[in-house]
Amino acid sequence: GEQVEQRPPHLSVREGDSAVITCTYTDPNSYYFFWYKQEPGASLQLLMKVFSSTEINEGQGFTVLLNKKDKRLSLNLTAAHPGDSAAYFCGFMATGGNNKLTFGQGTVLSVIP
Amino acid sequence: AQTIHQWPVAEIKAVGSPLSLGCTIKGKSSPNLYWYWQATGGTLQQLFYSITVGQVESVVQLNLSASRPKDDQFILSTEKLLLSHSGFYLCAWSLGTSSAETLYFGSGTRLTVL
Repeated sequence: GEQVEQRPPHLSVREGDSAVITCTYTDPNSYYFFWYKQEPGASLQLLMKVFSSTEINEGQGFTVLLNKKDKRLSLNLTAAHPGDSAAYFCGFMATGGNNKLTFGQGTVLSVIP
Repeated sequence: AQTIHQWPVAEIKAVGSPLSLGCTIKGKSSPNLYWYWQATGGTLQQLFYSITVGQVESVVQLNLSASRPKDDQFILSTEKLLLSHSGFYLCAWSLGTSSAETLYFGSGTRLTVL
């Protein structure tokens, strides 16, 4: 099955700084990629879904980069604020499959005011 | 608009006791439905999925079972809880019209087994 490695497990940054979370994968097949945010005690909120053909994806206050050569997906928060403090999970889903979403191990981000 | 409701919000149960968690989707007919489990501080693991009433596929069992008695309802249960069942259980839905669909999650049930 697909192996997903998400780093770092914990990340602490100051308000206004950038934060980068990375996931690497092993299966070369085409995928959809997802980033979800989970605030403490809450459910998962979809941040972005990207397809394997799109390398740069802009969101509100963040960018998702896909490096297919290195099999790396990254979430870049450009100017973190305390409301960004949460757990972030990457997810991978093979096309043509049964919608099985495989998650990374998660990153707990703390933004210090 | 579609809504997903999970119940109960939280449960504290004894080892060996039975469990039933529920999930209802409103505003979408024939969705795909999923159960995910998250150990405290851990990642999310898919347990079951269902593409239609009466049909449930097991991904990882963990001594749990799932059923889909109605188009809009997904139930997770066991007759005998283990300590290892503690965690956060999330129900999710997707459109059910294609592959590689976005999953939308419910608010979850926090289960503590003592």
